[in-house]
Amino acid sequence: AQSVAQPEDQVNVAEGNPLTVKCTYSVSGNPYLFWYVQYPNRGLQFLLKYITGDNLVKGSYGFEAEFNKSQTSFHLKKPSALVSDSALYFCAADTGFQKLVFGTGTRLLVSP
Amino acid sequence: GAVVSQHPSWVICKSGTSVKIECRSLDFQATTMFWYRQFPKQSLMLMATSNEGSKATYEQGVEKDKFLINHASLTLSTLTVTSAHPEDSSFYICSAIRTSGRTQETQYFGPGTRLLVL
Repeated sequence: AQSVAQPEDQVNVAEGNPLTVKCTYSVSGNPYLFWYVQYPNRGLQFLLKYITGDNLVKGSYGFEAEFNKSQTSFHLKKPSALVSDSALYFCAADTGFQKLVFGTGTRLLVSP
Repeated sequence: GAVVSQHPSWVICKSGTSVKIECRSLDFQATTMFWYRQFPKQSLMLMATSNEGSKATYEQGVEKDKFLINHASLTLSTLTVTSAHPEDSSFYICSAIRTSGRTQETQYFGPGTRLLVL
């Protein structure tokens, strides 16, 4: 079965420090990959996506993600975390026909 | 651009009644919309793909007679939960893809509808 894994339920980081939220995928072919953020009782907000080309993708709010084909990973990064970045982050892969399979989500908690 | 709305944002209903949830793409046309269900502290689960002018495609295990989908226009898809029961209580989220003919369009998500069936 095609799947996306986010191994960490929660990531804690101090404000100003770099953050990484991990994601690995098991999807056939060369899937498109996405990161979304969800704030409490809200829908998902698009952050960035990887289609092809440069392995480092830059997105909204200073976030970026690094694609690694050999490790089938697509980790989300930010050089300097903000308290307002605290939210639930989802990694997703397009399994074909634009159907997305999501990871289980990682809660990011940025402390002041 | 790329704003998706849902109505209502939350609804409480009695067991046995039907509830309709609307998903609208406000500033773009969407040939395809998706309906997801999210349980507390869990990921999104794709329920069905809604295509304008045709029947929806349901994922395995999702009852099509239970969850009726209508995509009557390029900006509106509706999900009707028929004869709702407490186990249908959940957070329902829709997404829409801009009609462009390209294959790598981003899905834009609505704010979600929280359904509570008593």
